[in-house]
Amino acid sequence: KAGVTQTPRYLIKTRGQQVTLSCSPISGHRSVSWYQQTPGQGLQFLFEYFSETQRNKGNFPGRFSGRQFSNSRSEMNVSTLELGDSALYLCASTVQANTGELFFGEGSRLTVL
Amino acid sequence: DQQVKQNSPSLSVQEGRISILNCDYTNSMFDYFLWYKKYPAEGPTFLISISSIKDKNEDGRFTVFLNKSAKHLSLHIVPSQPGDSAVYFCAASRRELTFGQGTILTVHP
Repeated sequence: KAGVTQTPRYLIKTRGQQVTLSCSPISGHRSVSWYQQTPGQGLQFLFEYFSETQRNKGNFPGRFSGRQFSNSRSEMNVSTLELGDSALYLCASTVQANTGELFFGEGSRLTVL
Repeated sequence: DQQVKQNSPSLSVQEGRISILNCDYTNSMFDYFLWYKKYPAEGPTFLISISSIKDKNEDGRFTVFLNKSAKHLSLHIVPSQPGDSAVYFCAASRRELTFGQGTILTVHP
């Protein structure tokens, strides 16, 4: 069974640009959530999607957005990039609820210059 | 406001000894607690969990203890092995998972 796949793995952007990250969950998993990992901050919850609907949202500015498609694949978008957006963005999937055991992808490492 | 805190950024242990990783939380509404392990360049992987109605859960070398009155949980690894060296995150669940900042565990041969 294939795991959670995130693309791209690494990317470099400049301030003011926008970026789109993609996540393919494990087959059969309908819940996809996104986390931001920065040094010293741990993993901070961005949002969760279930059946194409955003079910929960973390405390991030509106520049961070996401969506989920009918095949459960998800994308997140960050507009007007700032230096502080440099982080590892992790996607996780689970069968139904965004609680309990999540299956994480390897992450997309974003560097903003 | 950090609802889940891991106050030790790092822990160093000798192979064969016990590793104890600690985690404190502030929200009494959390109903499930989990530990994840993360190796460099990989996503976190689930290790062990405990429901808020229990105070202990064991899985092989790993045991998680929950002290609800103190709002504290800990992960015990016995015996520790060099392959256990990784970053360990505790997490608490309500509607979504809230993670601590992580503790880097190094197990020396």
